[in-house]
Amino acid sequence: DSGVTQTPKHLITATGQRVTLRCSPRSGDLSVYWYQQSLDQGLQFLIQYYNGEERAKGNILERFSAQQFPDLHSELNLSSLELGDSALYFCASSVEWGTYEQYFGPGTRLTVT
Amino acid sequence: GQNIDQPTEMTATEGAIVQINCTYQTSGFNGLFWYQQHAGEAPTFLSYNVLDGLEEKGRFSSFLSRSKGYSYLLLKELQMKDSASYLCAVGGYQKVTFGIGTKLQVIP
Repeated sequence: DSGVTQTPKHLITATGQRVTLRCSPRSGDLSVYWYQQSLDQGLQFLIQYYNGEERAKGNILERFSAQQFPDLHSELNLSSLELGDSALYFCASSVEWGTYEQYFGPGTRLTVT
Repeated sequence: GQNIDQPTEMTATEGAIVQINCTYQTSGFNGLFWYQQHAGEAPTFLSYNVLDGLEEKGRFSSFLSRSKGYSYLLLKELQMKDSASYLCAVGGYQKVTFGIGTKLQVIP
């Protein structure tokens, strides 16, 4: 158990819908990262927050947005969902921003039908 | 930007030794990580190298050569449970970039 929690574990929704994925980092970690992993694909970095502020952005679509709240939990919002958005979405946390080992949550498996 | 190359798949025999290579190109190198990921599960941290040389941790060792942009993960005394993907990840300015991973299959 990494100490990072993600909810929900599974999510099935239809095209065009909007969903929110939630992540709570390890106690004491200030940085949160979001990744997308499609079937047999590598981890695609989406976005990083540090202590409530956006720090780095990867290949995140405009239909996707995220935020980190004062209690340090984070939410990833996915809207106008398409079939291609079906993937595993991982949240990770680290103590600081920059190059530190990241601890991953169990992931949310999103299926868009 | 960052570019990471590692073999897509490898097969090795239980009890043997396997070396998984990773080459990278990056601006602003801040260290290299190896993660293990079993199918459908979250990646878990294995090792971190920031200086040249070999870091040993039980059955797993990781090597780094910064001048060559090269790292390897060495797994000894392979066990069936080592069947997983092994992700090489490079730390650059403000972020870490993951390679696509090497899928290792351990056979009896």
